[in-house]
Amino acid sequence: EAQVTQNPRYLITVTGKKLTVTCSQNMNHEYMSWYRQDPGLGLRQIYYSMNVEVTDKGDVPEGYKVSRKEKRNFPLILESPSPNQTSLYFCASSWGIIGAQFYGYTFGSGTRLTVV
Amino acid sequence: GEDVEQSLFLSVREGDSSVINCTYTDSSSTYLYWYKQEPGAGLQLLTYIFSNMDMKQDQRLTVLLNKKDKHLSLRIADTQTGDSAIYFCALRDYNKLIFGAGTRLAVHP
Repeated sequence: EAQVTQNPRYLITVTGKKLTVTCSQNMNHEYMSWYRQDPGLGLRQIYYSMNVEVTDKGDVPEGYKVSRKEKRNFPLILESPSPNQTSLYFCASSWGIIGAQFYGYTFGSGTRLTVV
Repeated sequence: GEDVEQSLFLSVREGDSSVINCTYTDSSSTYLYWYKQEPGAGLQLLTYIFSNMDMKQDQRLTVLLNKKDKHLSLRIADTQTGDSAIYFCALRDYNKLIFGAGTRLAVHP
């Protein structure tokens, strides 16, 4: 089944403790992206990747890192999480930004992160 | 940058039509999208419309685009309880999709 898999689904952590949210897709998509969803704000892009070893900042990149060593994986790293990073996070992928026009993004099921 | 606005909540009776509205500021987007998010799930592409179209119909869904007023709407005919979800309007801005805040549709008997 074609899908984007995120892990974990739920995570509670303490301020300052490094964590990684994994994202993997099995569709050979070139383009991958991370979004955070907050009430009343919709989804905001954190980072995106056009292909392996090509990443760039989105609208809200502060406090996050990403890497794209393989086409299928795009982990989101929080080096020192803070309470304002408490949010619902989504990973998405598509057939390049052109393909996304026709097929949209395929989203993972989300990771609900709480930082206390 | 692009700004996309939606009303946050809509309540309809089962069997009625629902109309979810969206306004945007930048008219350069080639495609405009509607995504659906069910509880505990990711977003699912519902439909999209090309910017040179005024209307697109897909079964119970009708998308209307008014480029002059920068207004996009999604009409769901014969709304069912299974349509209860959050609906997001989205526009492409080069390397990303820009989403509205989402409209929560509640369907009651």
